Amino acid sequence: DAKTTQPTSMDCAEGRAANLPCNHSTISGNEYVYWYRQIHSQGPQYIIHGLKNNETNEMASLIITEDRKSSTLILPHATLRDTAVYYCIVRVFNTNAGKSTFGDGTTLTVKP
Amino acid sequence: NAGVTQTPKFQVLKTGQSMTLQCAQDMNHEYMSWYRQDPGMGLRLIHYSVGAGITDQGEVPNGYNVSRSTTEDFPLRLLSAAPSQTSVYFCASSLGQGNSPLHFGNGTRLTVT
Repeated sequence: DAKTTQPTSMDCAEGRAANLPCNHSTISGNEYVYWYRQIHSQGPQYIIHGLKNNETNEMASLIITEDRKSSTLILPHATLRDTAVYYCIVRVFNTNAGKSTFGDGTTLTVKP
Repeated sequence: NAGVTQTPKFQVLKTGQSMTLQCAQDMNHEYMSWYRQDPGMGLRLIHYSVGAGITDQGEVPNGYNVSRSTTEDFPLRLLSAAPSQTSVYFCASSLGQGNSPLHFGNGTRLTVT
């Protein structure tokens, strides 16, 4: 699976959009981009995933560049409860999710 | 629907002791995995299983054993605990096809003295 690069930390004001970038320049055509978050040492929680089209669900939006070498997770109206570590990973379709490699992620701090 | 359940939540061991961390899922997921997370770091894969009777090693398998006798359960055994195994251990599961995401338990916090 392709490696990903994320900033170590980011801050965001409460109520504003949080935009978390991820670089996956070696991604291959059959690899999906997944985002998870980990709140206060709980188990990581799945947020969203996508292949090449932008995706949106009740938690967030995922914007993938046309060349698929980077993506951005958007939390449209960040709250204090969104303070967490956010992980971006890539995985080949129809393969074992349990072999996913998690890096150190981005620590997002939402401030009042 | 309980999801992924890990027990115990906390454990303290002395060096050289052995123990088993339990993981159970009720979602009929084929794939199960064990990760460890050291303070301030990401998750590292210890062992994984693609179905009952099938297991394989991840990035950091030394000092740990697993078995998968049923679809629901995937216990992790520490053979002879060492202080370097002090960590938080997460179990995860997923469906065996498509682009299904991982579902994680809430972890077991292990301290080895």
